[in-house]
Amino acid sequence: NAGVTQTPKFQVLKTGQSMTLQCAQDMNHNSMYWYRQDPGMGLRLIYYSASEGTTDKGEVPNGYNVSRLNKREFSLRLESAAPSQTSVYFCASSEALSGLASETQYFGPGTRLLVL
Amino acid sequence: AQSVTQLDSQVPVFEEAPVELRCNYSSSVSVYLFWYVQYPNQGLQLLLKYLSGSTLVKGINGFEAEFNKSQTSFHLRKPSVHISDTAEYFCAVIIYGGSQGNLIFGKGTKLSVKP
Repeated sequence: NAGVTQTPKFQVLKTGQSMTLQCAQDMNHNSMYWYRQDPGMGLRLIYYSASEGTTDKGEVPNGYNVSRLNKREFSLRLESAAPSQTSVYFCASSEALSGLASETQYFGPGTRLLVL
Repeated sequence: AQSVTQLDSQVPVFEEAPVELRCNYSSSVSVYLFWYVQYPNQGLQLLLKYLSGSTLVKGINGFEAEFNKSQTSFHLRKPSVHISDTAEYFCAVIIYGGSQGNLIFGKGTKLSVKP
């Protein structure tokens, strides 16, 4: 039982390049999330998916797109990377069904992205 | 809008000393409250959470937190810290009864335990 896995662990991009961050969970969770973590800013929600086939914007969605490929996988895409997107990206999942907002979120190990 | 304030960005403390990490939230409605810990180069893991009931919540690794509704606080405490408690700690809140209930994180407190 691996929990939440993320690939790659580290990536360097040049401004304007694109890439996709992959996330998978093996806990049969319904909800999945993408956060970015910047020094002194805590974690900020980029996008989330409350169930397979649905996605919604979080606090900082600009410059990103997401795909909930199936119940297990939730990818984050940067179409044209910018230096402001240099950050650590975390994927998380929770069992959360609609209305049960108290479910614990389980986090992956993170992807460190540097945009030059 | 809901927000979470962690009053100290860094807390240095000696091993075996007690520690309190402070967290205040702003909300006019009921909330769920969480503390997460992030060890160096790792993801976050749940320390404890308050949903309802007893205002004193016990978590993993000897940590506990007390929900104080009148002061809108949820401070984290440990009576005796170890070197291994060195990490960054995040307080977070979810709006009660929200259909999705997204976590809103504080900016984090770095706990540094010195021998």
